[in-house]
Amino acid sequence: RKEVEQDPGPFNVPEGATVAFNCTYSNSASQSFFWYRQDCRKEPKLLMSVYSSGNEDGRFTAQLNRASQYISLLIRDSKLSDSATYLCVVTRALNDYKLSFGAGTTVTVRA
Amino acid sequence: NAGVTQTPKFRVLKTGQSMTLLCAQDMNHEYMYWYRQDPGMGLRLIHYSVGEGTTAKGEVPDGYNVSRLKKQNFLLGLESAAPSQTSVYFCASSYSAGSSYNEQFFGPGTRLTVL
Repeated sequence: RKEVEQDPGPFNVPEGATVAFNCTYSNSASQSFFWYRQDCRKEPKLLMSVYSSGNEDGRFTAQLNRASQYISLLIRDSKLSDSATYLCVVTRALNDYKLSFGAGTTVTVRA
Repeated sequence: NAGVTQTPKFRVLKTGQSMTLLCAQDMNHEYMYWYRQDPGMGLRLIHYSVGEGTTAKGEVPDGYNVSRLKKQNFLLGLESAAPSQTSVYFCASSYSAGSSYNEQFFGPGTRLTVL
């Protein structure tokens, strides 16, 4: 079983729509959670950290469900520029600097 | 402030050839990492370093070697390239651990094809 699993998509949505997707992780000891964004043929960049109580950053909302071992990302009012692959990332343990990456969920926003 | 840079950007090798990928960062980060990214798979850690002069194996280290002689540089070597090493290679760096927030900064990647 992969440590981090994501629905690869693609999620094709019109501008202005809301899109949401999840990722599951297998290691119950995982302590830190992130969403990274990767544009086509570019390097990954941190989008946002995911906190236990859930958090928002503008149009992006991240949630963590430790009991079911999944995190989610919701994008409201989608923009063309949101088209990218979103990588779910977890650490294995507290203060572990090594990251485990999911294969990514591709989102395409159409005009 | 260039962040993380990688050279070369592209390379084609024949089976059995050797090469070195160079990663440099100007953020004074202690930790540096080498990943490979293949279609349908997440980034996989090859080797990493927690400081100048130290290196350690990641989850897919076979066929690769690394060196960290200077804090700002992290080199990845392929001694005898194989077609299975065709991939996109990313270098990353980060501050030291000890925080619940630990962002890794990535270089632009090296696209390597082994024929």
